[in-house]
Amino acid sequence: QVQLVESGGGVVQPGRSLRLSCAASGFIFSYYGMSWVRQAPGKGLEWVAFIGYDGRNQYYADSVKGRFTISRDNSKNMLYLQMNSLRAEDKGVYYCARDPKEWSEMYFFDYWGQGTLVTVSS
Amino acid sequence: FMLTQPHSVSESPGKTVTISCTRSSVSIASNYVQWYQQRPGSAPTTVIYEDEQRPSGVPDRFSGSIDRSSNSASLTISGLKSEDEADYYCQSYDSNNHIVVFGGGTKLTVL
Repeated sequence: QVQLVESGGGVVQPGRSLRLSCAASGFIFSYYGMSWVRQAPGKGLEWVAFIGYDGRNQYYADSVKGRFTISRDNSKNMLYLQMNSLRAEDKGVYYCARDPKEWSEMYFFDYWGQGTLVTVSS
Repeated sequence: FMLTQPHSVSESPGKTVTISCTRSSVSIASNYVQWYQQRPGSAPTTVIYEDEQRPSGVPDRFSGSIDRSSNSASLTISGLKSEDEADYYCQSYDSNNHIVVFGGGTKLTVL
């Protein structure tokens, strides 16, 4: 069965960096685009970034453009989110989510991980 | 663009409830609309994709539709059960500009 397991969250000071990871299993990872979606405490869902199945295309929300970098290692079935220059408003649960169709960019999600919590505080 | 949902809705068990999602610009039919359910403390799950499709395992009590005249999408849940109590988010995208947008979410209370 499809599994997505995020890790790497924690407490970090404003201005510092953090790298999140998402381990994928139960499907052919290299066939699917992947996204990161976040949720601030008590708030709604916000799409953060997308990466195509082969890693060539990356797209970002304006709120993180220039600070966050999405990447993947298809040989390890891993998705990453490098977060630099973190701000208080970046706090929240970060989910990785899978595009529903192989070899395409569908911009929606069929499977989600359980999330990892990022806290930005001095 | 924006997707606007009511902040909350409530209904009694066994009844039917409809949650709306209005797109601010460009036709609602231009890009598919999805609906996600999020129970407290859990990750979201997909209940409707591509406007009206139901993933396997989602009961047929859940249905989706779009209305071009009001530029909106709707999620309808019939035969309400206490387990349907959750936050529901609509979601669409702009494939030309590579943007994904979520609605603000609707809290469903089953009284």
